[in-house]
Amino acid sequence: AQSVAQPEDQVNVAEGNPLTVKCTYSVSGNPYLFWYVQYPNRGLQFLLKYITGDNLVKGSYGFEAEFNKSQTSFHLKKPSALVSDSALYFCAVRAQRRSNDYKLSFGAGTTVTVRA
Amino acid sequence: NAGVTQTPKFQVLKTGQSMTLQCAQDMNHEYMSWYRQDPGMGLRLIHYSVGAGITDQGEVPNGYNVSRSTTEDFPLRLLSAAPSQTSVYFCASKAGGPFTNIQYFGAGTRLSVL
Repeated sequence: AQSVAQPEDQVNVAEGNPLTVKCTYSVSGNPYLFWYVQYPNRGLQFLLKYITGDNLVKGSYGFEAEFNKSQTSFHLKKPSALVSDSALYFCAVRAQRRSNDYKLSFGAGTTVTVRA
Repeated sequence: NAGVTQTPKFQVLKTGQSMTLQCAQDMNHEYMSWYRQDPGMGLRLIHYSVGAGITDQGEVPNGYNVSRSTTEDFPLRLLSAAPSQTSVYFCASKAGGPFTNIQYFGAGTRLSVL
């Protein structure tokens, strides 16, 4: 079975400060890892993904995430947060082992609030 | 550039009623799926399809039915609505193959069952 844990329900930061949203995962074999963002009353939007290669992945809107295999983590980061980054963030995982198994497992989500 | 379109956006049902949530994509994606989103639980997979004529169950399939007669459409049917099915429902699609991993989501359907 595969699963994702997002240990923080909420993250509050001041605009201009660094933002980190934590994610740990459990999967058999190597993972595909994703971050999605959801703005109010909208569907999920893709931010970035880790498939293979460089452990630091850069994505949309200045976000990046670092894959750490030994800690089974994939934390989302942004060096300088904006008020417009306030949203609900989801981490997701699936195993690489089967090419026709596309099922993603999502974390419970972390609400990010960036105050002006 | 429509992407994934879900209808209706909002629906209120009475217990025992049936209804169909519609999902259509115009990207010729092979893979489509339905999720429900509940507070504190993230997204849970209801049903999915890897191509026309092929469907399979996700982690919470009970009370829901799907079919995939065309590549574009993937409707979700609630057979006899229950209050436990009050949720926000999202449809998603992705291109086939192991390296095309981004799922595209619709805007969601908010369902209340009284």
